[in-house]
Amino acid sequence: QQKVQQSPESLSVPEGGMASLNCTSSDHNFQYFWWYRQHSGEGPKALMSIFSDGDKKEGRFTAHLNKASLHVSLHIRDSQPSDSALYFCAAPHTGYQNFYFGKGTSLTVIP
Amino acid sequence: DMKVTQMPRYLIKRMGENVLLECGQDMSHETMYWYRQDPGLGLQLIYISYDVDSNSEGDIPKGYRVSRKKREHFSLILDSAKTNQTSVYFCASSPSPRVLDTQYFGPGTRLLVL
Repeated sequence: QQKVQQSPESLSVPEGGMASLNCTSSDHNFQYFWWYRQHSGEGPKALMSIFSDGDKKEGRFTAHLNKASLHVSLHIRDSQPSDSALYFCAAPHTGYQNFYFGKGTSLTVIP
Repeated sequence: DMKVTQMPRYLIKRMGENVLLECGQDMSHETMYWYRQDPGLGLQLIYISYDVDSNSEGDIPKGYRVSRKKREHFSLILDSAKTNQTSVYFCASSPSPRVLDTQYFGPGTRLLVL
């Protein structure tokens, strides 16, 4: 069973639009979350982390965390074609010190 | 510039052959990781290394072993490769195993086991 679930599996937005990606877990040992982005043919690259309830903004990217519901989201405003990539939600398990990635959301920004 | 390198980038092996994947980092990071990525499964952790000769199993260690004799190098070994080990393998490093630390990934090695 996947410990970190992401939705949707794929998403298309027009250039300049808003993309919203979601991530949830049912295990309260996941308290800290990362978003990674992977362009085709490359390794994943960290976008941002969020460890506290509420919003965290970095440029066009805003992450939101609700620890009570174990839900984290990533919102990309003014989406650009260069944002087209696979986005992973990732979290360390505080009990086992292992790091878990979701299956990813494939984002396509249409020019 | 922080960099994680992986060699080789592409590899084709026959079932039963031994495979050696190499990873290097120039950041003196304590912690290094090996993951595999398969379509529809995301990234799965194979092994974590906390420092030289201090390695720990991840979620899917079966069929793999690792070696870390120098802080900057971390190797993944497949003894007698199997076809289900065909995958893309990523190495990553981070300054420490603390959850606050970013993981830096290499470009990956595409392994095909025939």
